[in-house]
Amino acid sequence: DTAVSQTPKYLVTQMGNDKSIKCEQNLGHDTMYWYKQDSKKFLKIMFSYNNKELIINETVPNRFSPKSPDKAHLNLHINSLELGDSAVYFCASSKGRSLDTQYFGPGTRLTVL
Amino acid sequence: AQTVTQSQPEMSVQEAETVTLSCTYDTSESDYYLFWYKQPPSRQMILVIRQEAYKQQNATENRFSVNFQKAAKSFSLKISDSQLGDAAMYFCAYNTNAGKSTFGDGTTLTVKP
Repeated sequence: DTAVSQTPKYLVTQMGNDKSIKCEQNLGHDTMYWYKQDSKKFLKIMFSYNNKELIINETVPNRFSPKSPDKAHLNLHINSLELGDSAVYFCASSKGRSLDTQYFGPGTRLTVL
Repeated sequence: AQTVTQSQPEMSVQEAETVTLSCTYDTSESDYYLFWYKQPPSRQMILVIRQEAYKQQNATENRFSVNFQKAAKSFSLKISDSQLGDAAMYFCAYNTNAGKSTFGDGTTLTVKP
């Protein structure tokens, strides 16, 4: 069974478009995360939700908006896509909100043309 | 600022040999966990090993072990009996009580047959 899943796995779109990436975990975890991995493989946390509450909001453009309808889902919506948004976006989850091991999804490769 | 430094962008090892990947970190937190993740070409982030900072004993997982030097803020990964499937990018990371994860820039490991 898939623990943390993301859809889509690949996303190619034009500048200026709005797109969403969905994430679901079936581990019963309370905390979910979004990470961005750039072309140099540098991995940086963007957001974290615990039981639908936003607990980490790093410095990212307002065009990025996470939404957590329930604690098993965390979606990422991106408005007015720019070339620099091209990256791999990873969703992750952990049991608790602090020190626990994070389990990652397969990633979504976003390409903005 | 909290940082993780992996000083070796690339490493190579002969199959069946042992290799050590370096990681140093800087944090003002007293309670944190340390991790090594593996990212093969499939881009899936896979947990390799985890170390709780309050434990003095070094963590081991089969062929993978760490050398955790808390005073020196050093957390190296030793891979014994290297296998072709170990070829990947390896990331060192830590989690703090605030729930924030910080990752190093990664080390690309090549395993030569």
